[in-house]
Amino acid sequence: KNQVEQSPQSLIILEGKNCTLQCNYTVSPFSNLRWYKQDTGRGPVSLTIMTFSENTKSNGRYTATLDADTKQSSLHITASQLSDSASYICVVIYGNNRLAFGKGNQVVVIP
Amino acid sequence: GAGVSQSPSNKVTEKGKDVELRCDPISGHTALYWYRQRLGQGLEFLIYFQGNSAPDKSGLPSDRFSAERTGESVSTLTIQRTQQEDSAVYLCASSLASGGYEQYFGPGTRLTVT
Repeated sequence: KNQVEQSPQSLIILEGKNCTLQCNYTVSPFSNLRWYKQDTGRGPVSLTIMTFSENTKSNGRYTATLDADTKQSSLHITASQLSDSASYICVVIYGNNRLAFGKGNQVVVIP
Repeated sequence: GAGVSQSPSNKVTEKGKDVELRCDPISGHTALYWYRQRLGQGLEFLIYFQGNSAPDKSGLPSDRFSAERTGESVSTLTIQRTQQEDSAVYLCASSLASGGYEQYFGPGTRLTVT
C-alpha cells in the first residue's frame, strides 16, 4: 500500500470552476508536507510547504490545508485557468529526511 | 539565477548499454536528489547527497544503478546494462540543505531503452 494516497487520480474541470485535491498519508514521524505542480514534460515546481503547526497556506489561487492529526491534506484551486492543467504531487517528509511521494492528481482544465 | 540543469534532455539507448545522466545543481545547494518517474507513476526516490556525508542510496533499485557527486557540484547517475524497465524520466533536485528546505527540480532526462 502506498504511503501517500492522492485522490481523485484524475479530474476534468471547466475553466473558472474550483476544485479540491486530496492527499492522505500514513508515514511518521511527520516533518512537513509539500504540494508540487508538474506540467507535462517539466520538472515539479513547489506550490506550498506546510509544517506540523500550519493548518492553511495560500499561494495565489492555490490553498493547501493540513490536518496532522488525521494525516490529511488538501489543495484547493480557485477560479481554475487553462494553465492549471498539470499533475499535482503531494510529498510528505518524515523521519530522518525521508520522502514519500503520492502518484499525483492529474487535472485537466477545459474551456 | 540559473536553476537546476540536466543533460541530456532525451536519451535513447539499446538494451544492455550503459548510460550516464548529468545534473548541475543550483550553486550553493548542498543537498542533491535523484528521482525516477515512470510513465503514469509517481516520483520514486533513488539517491540523495548531503554535503560531504555518505549518500543515502536506499532508493537505488539494483546494483546496476550508481551515482556520484564531486563536492557540492555536478552529479552523475550511471545505469549499467540498461533494461527496458529502466525507461523513465530521471529527475534531479537540489536544495540549500536537507530537511525542510525547498527542493528545486531540473527538467529531467527522458531515457528510452529499446
